[in-house]
Amino acid sequence: DAGVTQSPTHLIKTRGQHVTLRCSPISGHKSVSWYQQVLGQGPQFIFQYYEKEERGRGNFPDRFSARQFPNYSSELNVNALLLGDSALYLCASSAGQRIYYGYTFGSGTRLTVV
Amino acid sequence: TQLLEQSPQFLSIQEGENLTVYCNSSSVFSSLQWYRQEPGEGPVLLVTVVTGGEVKKLKRLTFQFGDARKDSSLHITAAQPGDTGLYLCAVLTGNQFYFGTGTSLTVIP
Repeated sequence: DAGVTQSPTHLIKTRGQHVTLRCSPISGHKSVSWYQQVLGQGPQFIFQYYEKEERGRGNFPDRFSARQFPNYSSELNVNALLLGDSALYLCASSAGQRIYYGYTFGSGTRLTVV
Repeated sequence: TQLLEQSPQFLSIQEGENLTVYCNSSSVFSSLQWYRQEPGEGPVLLVTVVTGGEVKKLKRLTFQFGDARKDSSLHITAAQPGDTGLYLCAVLTGNQFYFGTGTSLTVIP
């Protein structure tokens, strides 16, 4: 079975630009979460979507938005990029919202803002 | 203020040595997870502990959940270079994971 797939793997953008990151969850998983991981730190929660509805939002500015599609894949959008948005963006999928379902992370998208 | 504080932040040891990594909080949790993350990869789940005082073993790794369910430890026996990575503790609160500050482990051959 394919794991959580994220695209692209690496991306370089200029300040002020917009970026879209994509995530395909494990087949059958209906929950997708997005995390930002700055170098040397633990991942920080951005969004969770379950059954195509937003179920949680972390402490990130409105420049960050996301959506989940009918096939449960998801996109994370970031507008007006800042240098501080440079990070590894991780997607995690799960069959449900509770911890006993287990969360599987993708390998991430490395975003560099110059 | 971090919900989960990990110590030490960095650890560099020789192959064959033992080590312990700690995850502490002032909050009580129903469960806690440990992950290992290698450079350029996402975190990979190692274990979930759910009962206060619980001890789980995974080959050379021993995980313990504190009696009060506020803290946890990870002990590695006879560390190997393949154990190198970032070790993260995490708890699920509501709909989001809170990750610890992480311990970066380097095992020198």
